[in-house]
Amino acid sequence: DAKTTQPPSMDCAEGRAANLPCNHSTISGNEYVYWYRQIHSQGPQYIIHGLKNNETNEMASLIITEDRKSSTLILPHATLRDTAVYYCIVRPRYGSGNTGKLIFGQGTTLQVKP
Amino acid sequence: EPEVTQTPSHQVTQMGQEVILRCVPISNHLYFYWYRQILGQKVEFLVSFYNNEISEKSEIFDDQFSVERPDGSNFTLKIRSTKLEDSAMYFCASRRTREGNEQYFGPGTRLTVT
Repeated sequence: DAKTTQPPSMDCAEGRAANLPCNHSTISGNEYVYWYRQIHSQGPQYIIHGLKNNETNEMASLIITEDRKSSTLILPHATLRDTAVYYCIVRPRYGSGNTGKLIFGQGTTLQVKP
Repeated sequence: EPEVTQTPSHQVTQMGQEVILRCVPISNHLYFYWYRQILGQKVEFLVSFYNNEISEKSEIFDDQFSVERPDGSNFTLKIRSTKLEDSAMYFCASRRTREGNEQYFGPGTRLTVT
């Protein structure tokens, strides 16, 4: 089962930053933090991932606490098209029986409002 | 930008019939996955596939399910004798290498068993 905890829903005003928290207090040293989102019933879309350091790409930023027990996904300027379910997933490194599968939880439904 | 494609987008079948769901992963990807999502529920891992064999399967993936990569491009999921509870969205995903690369998901096939 998923080893992360996320709030079930959040609202954000269009144009403002959306900060989505995730708790993964039992994460181990060989596990990545991944973020995906699912818009309506489309296939999940990769956003960003990290191991220890903060990461940024064209879509978002990922802030991981120093103890790695929690993280925050930041969408810097949310638009109406960012309305989706956001999943925080902890995934082990490939190998030792780990095949890269993703275990999805219920995620956070982000509603971006005009 | 390359993408994972799936056909058909919607499949309606009668209980007990066999169905084959087709996926074309991104061309230079080596790791392949199937997931499903029952309406209103979370995305669930079914199976991972690498080097022409199953590398991991979930409890859902029983003897009624099989996967195949019949040629260099297609990746199929077969359900031998469908049940009502097999009604779901089925997502195919692919990944290029072992580490540091995200899974790309297809748009899904909606399977309706009547």
